[in-house]
Amino acid sequence: DTEVTQTPKHLVMGMTNKKSLKCEQHMGHRAMYWYKQKAKKPPELMFVYSYEKLSINESVPSRFSPECPNSSLLNLHLHALQPEDSALYLCASSQQPGQWRFFGPGTRLTVL
Amino acid sequence: AQSVTQLDSQVPVFEEAPVELRCNYSSSVSVYLFWYVQYPNQGLQLLLKYLSGSTLVKGINGFEAEFNKSQTSFHLRKPSVHISDTAEYFCAVSDRGSNYKLTFGKGTLLTVNP
Repeated sequence: DTEVTQTPKHLVMGMTNKKSLKCEQHMGHRAMYWYKQKAKKPPELMFVYSYEKLSINESVPSRFSPECPNSSLLNLHLHALQPEDSALYLCASSQQPGQWRFFGPGTRLTVL
Repeated sequence: AQSVTQLDSQVPVFEEAPVELRCNYSSSVSVYLFWYVQYPNQGLQLLLKYLSGSTLVKGINGFEAEFNKSQTSFHLRKPSVHISDTAEYFCAVSDRGSNYKLTFGKGTLLTVNP
């Protein structure tokens, strides 16, 4: 298994909703990442988990809450989002922190 | 700190023509270099990477790139493109001392026309 999977593919939510994005990899990678990508822009790093511990938070608002339940899973909990948070959310993993990333297909999020 | 400049935001070419997508970087330390491709409505796929060794790197789908340290460049080339190569291409760099920072260029949209 050489891929990163993400669910759901699409998500539409209101500003008062609570939802979660899920990411999974079974490559034995020990680093996992969340990125946000706006249209026609490169991905922007949000969070890094290294050996299941949060090691980097790129000053992301608290309405985004990451969680790493185990070495294969990464969640992103969403609460009270704003319309400007609408974007493609990409999960990635690497064998070790800092190595090249394998990206998932992303979740297209729309906040109404 | 490092930075990446992709000199062309859009590159239109005809099918079966050769293409070069340009990438320059700046860093005060040695770097790793990557090219990623993003097809419409998809995630990023690693095309190729330069870590060390031979400066000519071959990747998937017939792409190759050449690392030029003196010119701080890592241009991506393909001798003959297909319609299916239409996508956004991102050059990225990480310095060998950094554990986490992967800096992307702004991307180049390659459009292959029939």
